[in-house]
Amino acid sequence: GENVEQHPSTLSVQEGDSAVIKCTYSDSASNYFPWYKQELGKRPQLIIDIRSNVGEKKDQRIAVTLNKTAKHFSLHITETQPEDSAVYFCAASTAGGSQGNLIFGKGTKLSVKP
Amino acid sequence: DSGVTQTPKHLITATGQRVTLRCSPRSGDLSVYWYQQSLDQGLQFLIQYYNGEERAKGNILERFSAQQFPDLHSELNLSSLELGDSALYFCASSPREGLLGELFFGEGSRLTVL
Repeated sequence: GENVEQHPSTLSVQEGDSAVIKCTYSDSASNYFPWYKQELGKRPQLIIDIRSNVGEKKDQRIAVTLNKTAKHFSLHITETQPEDSAVYFCAASTAGGSQGNLIFGKGTKLSVKP
Repeated sequence: DSGVTQTPKHLITATGQRVTLRCSPRSGDLSVYWYQQSLDQGLQFLIQYYNGEERAKGNILERFSAQQFPDLHSELNLSSLELGDSALYFCASSPREGLLGELFFGEGSRLTVL
């Protein structure tokens, strides 16, 4: 089955700096790669996703890149703000059909220091 | 508010006991997913139902079972509870059978086994 590795497990940056979180996956059939943000005591919420036919996607200060050959994808947050502090989870899925489920990485705790 | 309702929010019980966690998906969503979140294991996929039928199984223990009812609400039954079952259990829903978009998570049910 699918296995998703996520690094680093913790990341501390100064406000205004960029943050990069990297994930690798094992199943070459995976074709959907979302990122979820979980604030302390809250539920995970989708912040951005990318499908396998796209190499990069941006949404304001957030971008995701995908390298299908190397089976890795990354989340980039620019101009970080204190409210970006949270745990970020990457995930991979063979979307579609009857086997769709998300396999999550173990999370990255991002701390943005003012 | 994601529209996904989970009850109870908190549950404290003893080893060996049995509990039932309940989830009502967003209106119109046919797929329900259950995830277990422990401190060191991130989000572990347990099981998926679509329109009343089991669709995918993850790392769900034999002591755990789930079902989705005709009104689309789902229940996760945990029996012969052990200390290690203490975790936050999330239910999530999506409109489709496969994952082609966002998973909407509930607020979670925090289970403490003493």
